[in-house]
Amino acid sequence: GNSVTQMEGPVTLSEEAFLTINCTYTATGYPSLFWYVQYPGEGLQLLLKATKADDKGSNKGFEATYRKETTSFHLEKGSVQVSDSAVYFCALKASSGSARQLTFGSGTQLTVLP
Amino acid sequence: DVKVTQSSRYLVKRTGEKVFLECVQDMDHENMFWYRQDPGLGLRLIYFSYDVKMKEKGDIPEGYSVSREKKERFSLILESASTNQTSMYLCASSQSPGNTIYFGEGSWLTVV
Repeated sequence: GNSVTQMEGPVTLSEEAFLTINCTYTATGYPSLFWYVQYPGEGLQLLLKATKADDKGSNKGFEATYRKETTSFHLEKGSVQVSDSAVYFCALKASSGSARQLTFGSGTQLTVLP
Repeated sequence: DVKVTQSSRYLVKRTGEKVFLECVQDMDHENMFWYRQDPGLGLRLIYFSYDVKMKEKGDIPEGYSVSREKKERFSLILESASTNQTSMYLCASSQSPGNTIYFGEGSWLTVV
């Protein structure tokens, strides 16, 4: 079946540090890949997505590239801010099957210190 | 912007009570979902609906039921709340066909 494996947290960084959160996946076919962010006390918001191999999703300074050869979708940001403190979820949606087939990773807690 | 609205942000209920969690979306999406989120377990799908009056069990449907009488509204029902149902509940919706799922802000339910 489909699965998403995320880098375990929590991750603590100083402001302006470089961020990488690793995400790898297992899926048949050509899934779409997503990063969602959850700020304290809130629901999940879509951060970025990529729907085919070699696509790069980007938003708010965050980037992730869909790498089919390594089945990865790592999240990166060159200079994090305190306001980026949140939980980040990697997810995939299978290319076939019903819309229920969205699989989430377990989430990575990021804390950015001033 | 897509808006998914969950009617209650914080609820405290007693064991054995019947609990209704309501969710409304304003983008005419076909698909609606209920997840629960627990520390260390991530998001788990409880139920999914792909059309009015249509529903499909997710990964953890036991102890829950759902209702979708109108396209924009999807309700989660706990027939007899138990303490192990204390959790954060997230409603979501998506277009069909489509990839992006949009979430509400979540409902924190505590069962005492």
